[in-house]
Amino acid sequence: GAVVSQHPSWVICKSGTSVKIECRSLDFQATTMFWYRQFPKQSLMLMATSNEGSKATYEQGVEKDKFLINHASLTLSTLTVTSAHPEDSSFYICSAREPIQGGTEAFFGQGTRLTVV
Amino acid sequence: GESVGLHLPTLSVQEGDNSIINCAYSNSASDYFIWYKQESGKGPQFIIDIRSNMDKRQGQRVTVLLNKTVKHLSLQIAATQPGDSAVYFCAENIRGRGYQKVTFGTGTKLQVIP
Repeated sequence: GAVVSQHPSWVICKSGTSVKIECRSLDFQATTMFWYRQFPKQSLMLMATSNEGSKATYEQGVEKDKFLINHASLTLSTLTVTSAHPEDSSFYICSAREPIQGGTEAFFGQGTRLTVV
Repeated sequence: GESVGLHLPTLSVQEGDNSIINCAYSNSASDYFIWYKQESGKGPQFIIDIRSNMDKRQGQRVTVLLNKTVKHLSLQIAATQPGDSAVYFCAENIRGRGYQKVTFGTGTKLQVIP
């Protein structure tokens, strides 16, 4: 199947700083990527849909100024957690769908563990 | 922020037995449903999906059943193996005007007893 890669796999940052997470589709072009957040022992919560060349669509309750999403190319979307606080510590996961006709499978990255100290 | 005290339901199964993991969904507009497996510290891994116009689909050792009447989805794993131990999520693809997105259910932790 197609490969989606996230970088970094884990990051520790100080409160007040910003952290950028990258999501790349390695062998296909993705016009749409999705960003999820997952707390321990909980499900994945969709944060936003990242659209190549246009603004991201945020889910209700997700602060767009806090979680900046950029999808500048067909293979790269970035999530920047701005002015990070300890409560932003979480597992962030991206996914992308290969845009083939009838294709339904969304491929997930390996996730990024963010710890804010 | 985090919800304190929230735990995933756990299903314990003897190695070699069949496992059945259940999921309820709420959105009638979902056009297909997916089961994912997530191992600790990793992203979800696709297992199998089923379109909303089907009620059963089989893969290798796995079967998904869809009951639209009661909005219920199940994943059956035959001859469960230790490597099947993970958290399993059902997800639904919701399609709207100009968008589609995948949202996840609560998840079930499968523990395989050797």
